[in-house]
Amino acid sequence: NAGVTQTPKFQVLKTGQSMTLQCAQDMNHNSMYWYRQDPGMGLRLIYYSASEGTTDKGEVPNGYNVSRLNKREFSLRLESAAPSQTSVYFCASSEGGGRVWPTEAFFGQGTRLTVV
Amino acid sequence: RKEVEQDPGPFNVPEGATVAFNCTYSNSASQSFFWYRQDCRKEPKLLMSVYSSGNEDGRFTAQLNRASQYISLLIRDSKLSDSATYLCVVSYNQGGKLIFGQGTELSVKP
Repeated sequence: NAGVTQTPKFQVLKTGQSMTLQCAQDMNHNSMYWYRQDPGMGLRLIYYSASEGTTDKGEVPNGYNVSRLNKREFSLRLESAAPSQTSVYFCASSEGGGRVWPTEAFFGQGTRLTVV
Repeated sequence: RKEVEQDPGPFNVPEGATVAFNCTYSNSASQSFFWYRQDCRKEPKLLMSVYSSGNEDGRFTAQLNRASQYISLLIRDSKLSDSATYLCVVSYNQGGKLIFGQGTELSVKP
């Protein structure tokens, strides 16, 4: 079982460049998430999607956009990358969403992004 | 105030010790609580869910105190392999919002 798949695993961008991080899950989960992790900061929620067609801001949404393309896929876009966006990005999915409280979240392996 | 707060540690303990982590949360309406483990900045993995009645899985015990809005994780008879970062996770709404604490680093020494 693939679970949650993120691409790419590593990326180096120049300041001002744009890119999209891709995430797909094969567990038929309703909810999907994007987090970033910086040293000493834990995981901070960027955006989440409780169901296909809906997205909501998390704790640190500035500088990012997301698209819930279908139930399987949830992408994160950096329109104009900045050095402050250097981080490890994790995508996750869980059951729940709508009227159901979320259950265990499953994570992708992460994308290590450096902006120079 | 952060929505979910943990003592970042690090906790340095000898093998065989008992260690306890606490986590506080600010939303009294939260209904789902979890402890995750993360090794060397790899993806977090579920250690255990936390139920209202408390729950135990081998050497690990999780407790929930709704009145004081905190959850705890107790690790008994620590092993070298328990060295990791432990993350507290709280759901914020039925729409699926999951918020992580900043993590507590545990180092178990021989």
